[in-house]
Amino acid sequence: EVQLVESGGGLVQPGGSLRLSCAASGFTFSSYWMHWVRQAPGKGLVWVSRINSDGSSTSYADSVKGRFTISRDNAKNTLYLQMNSLRAEDTAVYYCARVGVIAARRGVFDYWGQGTLVTVSS
Amino acid sequence: EIVLTQSPGTLSLSPGERATLSCRASQSVSSSYLAWYQQKPGQAPRLLIYGASSRATGIPDRFSGSGSGTDFTLTISRLEPEDFAVYYCQQYGSSPLTFGPGTKVDIK
Repeated sequence: EVQLVESGGGLVQPGGSLRLSCAASGFTFSSYWMHWVRQAPGKGLVWVSRINSDGSSTSYADSVKGRFTISRDNAKNTLYLQMNSLRAEDTAVYYCARVGVIAARRGVFDYWGQGTLVTVSS
Repeated sequence: EIVLTQSPGTLSLSPGERATLSCRASQSVSSSYLAWYQQKPGQAPRLLIYGASSRATGIPDRFSGSGSGTDFTLTISRLEPEDFAVYYCQQYGSSPLTFGPGTKVDIK
């Protein structure tokens, strides 16, 4: 059974940092591209970042570029999101999500974690 | 960036009725790379449809998707009690990946 379990969320002051983790199991983690998607309270889904299967290629939404860093440790089956210079508008539930393994489905989120809440407030 | 617009914002229907949800893109979605997700309160989204019309594993056949180019539709043929939720469309034909604002299907 595919499982994605996020952790690391919490309350942080504006300008602070936080690192989210996503522990993967039930599939060959090193074969899949992975993404982070966030959802502000009561709002819709917004794509944040993605990383390819071996970690050599990453991409970011303009709103987080230069502040967030996505990475992965395939030996530990874990995805990370390092978030620096946090702002109030970064407050959201952060989901890690797996996408399909074939190229035609690389943007289809087929499994999601349960999410971890990040609150940026003084 | 492709902007997705969903309509209506809220759809109030009764169990057993047919639901038709629309998703319109600001420019053509290449290769019909459009997906639909269902989200219930306090839960993560769940994949329903990809490639505009292919059902994901385990999704009941009362859910169907159609469309191409800039206009896409999700149809729920007969609403079951568990179908009342928010539905999002998402395009993955170009970067960045983008989602629509969602359509809430609630009980009339």
